Amino acid sequence: QKEVEQDPGPLSVPEGAIVSLNCTYSNSAFQYFMWYRQYSRKGPELLMYTYSSGNKEDGRFTAQVDKSSKYISLFIRDSQPSDSATYLCAMRVTNSGYALNFGKGTSLLVTP
Amino acid sequence: SQTIHQWPATLVQPVGSPLSLECTVEGTSNPNLYWYRQAAGRGLQLLFYSVGIGQISSEVPQNLSASRPQDRQFILSSKKLLLSDSGFYLCAWGKPRGKQETQYFGPGTRLLVL
Repeated sequence: QKEVEQDPGPLSVPEGAIVSLNCTYSNSAFQYFMWYRQYSRKGPELLMYTYSSGNKEDGRFTAQVDKSSKYISLFIRDSQPSDSATYLCAMRVTNSGYALNFGKGTSLLVTP
Repeated sequence: SQTIHQWPATLVQPVGSPLSLECTVEGTSNPNLYWYRQAAGRGLQLLFYSVGIGQISSEVPQNLSASRPQDRQFILSSKKLLLSDSGFYLCAWGKPRGKQETQYFGPGTRLLVL
């Protein structure tokens, strides 16, 4: 079982929809969680980071962590065509090494 | 503000040729530096990381090596490229804050080995 699982999609939604992107993980020691957005042929861009369980909101984006279920989510409200990209989740054990464990990414297409 | 540069943006090299990819960071000092490879369908794989000049740790044994000759410069090299070295190479920097650190990525270099 891979440490971080993420549905590759593609996920296609109409403009204005609420998007839910998810990752599951197996290592209960993960404490630090991130979401990156990657446009085609570009480097990943950090969107959100959270520590431990709970919600964090930033504009149209909300990151949610449920450590009891080993499940994290990114919600995008009022989705726009410019949100079309691949979304990568990443996580790490805070005090163990430097490596981030990435999901393979979910491809999102927001249609006008 | 901090910026990270990578070059070249795209590279096509024959099998057996050498490789040198460069990454530089501006606007910060003593960053942690990372090289990742992103292959289609395989996600991001950490190759090397560095916590200081001349300090390199390898995560995956392979045909590649890394060096950090200056505080904000990170170089990925190979003496002889293999077909399997093709991929999208990403450099990232991070600034430790206690036990937490966020990594920021560069624009990447797309390498095709023929």
